[in-house]
Amino acid sequence: DIVMTQSPDSLPVSLGERATINCKSSQSILYSSNNKNYLAWYQQKLGQPPKLLIYWASIRESGVPDRFSGSGSGADFTLTISSLQAEDVAVYYCQQYYSSPYTFGQGTKLEIK
Amino acid sequence: QVQLVQSGAEVKKPGASVKVSCKASGYTFNNYHMHWVRQAPGQGLEWMGIINPSGDSTYAQKFQGRVTMTRDTSTSTVYMELSSLRSEDTAVYYCARTTSVGTTPIPYFDYWGQGTQVTVSP
Repeated sequence: DIVMTQSPDSLPVSLGERATINCKSSQSILYSSNNKNYLAWYQQKLGQPPKLLIYWASIRESGVPDRFSGSGSGADFTLTISSLQAEDVAVYYCQQYYSSPYTFGQGTKLEIK
Repeated sequence: QVQLVQSGAEVKKPGASVKVSCKASGYTFNNYHMHWVRQAPGQGLEWMGIINPSGDSTYAQKFQGRVTMTRDTSTSTVYMELSSLRSEDTAVYYCARTTSVGTTPIPYFDYWGQGTQVTVSP
């Protein structure tokens, strides 16, 4: 199984500041035949199901604010929120869909400093 | 608009089975794969398995022999049944849709159900 490891576990950030969450996979999730990274990011607010933010490592889902961006390739990925808003308080998960079983990181809790 | 509406909370005894439903609307049901993902209290997300438009299922090894996923195209509903329940199965269970290219699923999850709390307690 591919193990997804996020850092940090908890991230306090001031409003308006940048937030950066890292995700590392135990093996490359870059598929060489199409040069795509099989990595998604989700936001989960308290008491709600996860919400898709980013897929193919860097493609924003429709309706997601452009302050959210994804980057990285191979086995190292980053989710960046350029200017933290109060409504961004949530737990963020990365997920690989390169191979079954499709595994998630342990989550990063983003909070207001 | 796409909606996945799940059945209500369940309380079960250890050793029993539970069957959770997920009714889809707002899209062509037969064109999409559906997955089940669970989340234990205060924990992360765990993928359980997938059912394709033809009704064929693939399960995570951890759940092999205990989980069965089915779909009813007449009602646009998918089901997940988990048997031999134990306390560690206490969790919120989500159905989640994924898209596909042809018949190949692209398993990131673009829509989720609201979740169904399953509690296993003596």
